[in-house]
Amino acid sequence: GEDVEQSLFLSVREGDSSVINCTYTDSSSTYLYWYKQEPGAGLQLLTYIFSNMDMKQDQRLTVLLNKKDKHLSLRIADTQTGDSAIYFCAERSMGFKTIFGAGTRLFVKA
Amino acid sequence: DTAVSQTPKYLVTQMGNDKSIKCEQNLGHDTMYWYKQDSKKFLKIMFSYNNKELIINETVPNRFSPKSPDKAHLNLHINSLELGDSAVYFCASSQEGGNQPQHFGDGTRLSIL
Repeated sequence: GEDVEQSLFLSVREGDSSVINCTYTDSSSTYLYWYKQEPGAGLQLLTYIFSNMDMKQDQRLTVLLNKKDKHLSLRIADTQTGDSAIYFCAERSMGFKTIFGAGTRLFVKA
Repeated sequence: DTAVSQTPKYLVTQMGNDKSIKCEQNLGHDTMYWYKQDSKKFLKIMFSYNNKELIINETVPNRFSPKSPDKAHLNLHINSLELGDSAVYFCASSQEGGNQPQHFGDGTRLSIL
């Protein structure tokens, strides 16, 4: 079945870049998403990439997709303490179901 | 202007009770979802409705019954609550189409005593 895996924790210093990695198994994935969840809140869409793209940049965020290896990454440049949150990778194949990873907890040290 | 709103935000109740969680979206989306997030933050799809029709029904105890009176609302009724039902329940909505992301509510924190 479909599966999405991410490392559970990442700790960086303020001002450094953060790279959160994700792997998925479904080769028919059409869209891949990154969501952010802050404490006590729901998931907020950060960015998404279509499966025929290699890279997408949006201000401090860069998404890289290696479709051959089924590997997705999210790079946050100049990480700030306000970026501390849980980041979920998600993939959507044909149909309505979106599969979420377990989330990566990003800790930003001042 | 809350896009996806859930009520209540917190729900504390005793084992064996029956409770409902309501969800409404004002985005004009045609698909709505219920997710359960456990204490380890793992997010699991429970149900999805598209234009009031059930399209995803994962392996969920039949004590959980979703109801969609119209495409802007998807409510979740839970009978005979058990300790293991304690979690955060998220409602979400999206427009049909692969590039349409899901918009989430802020969650309902359910605690069973």
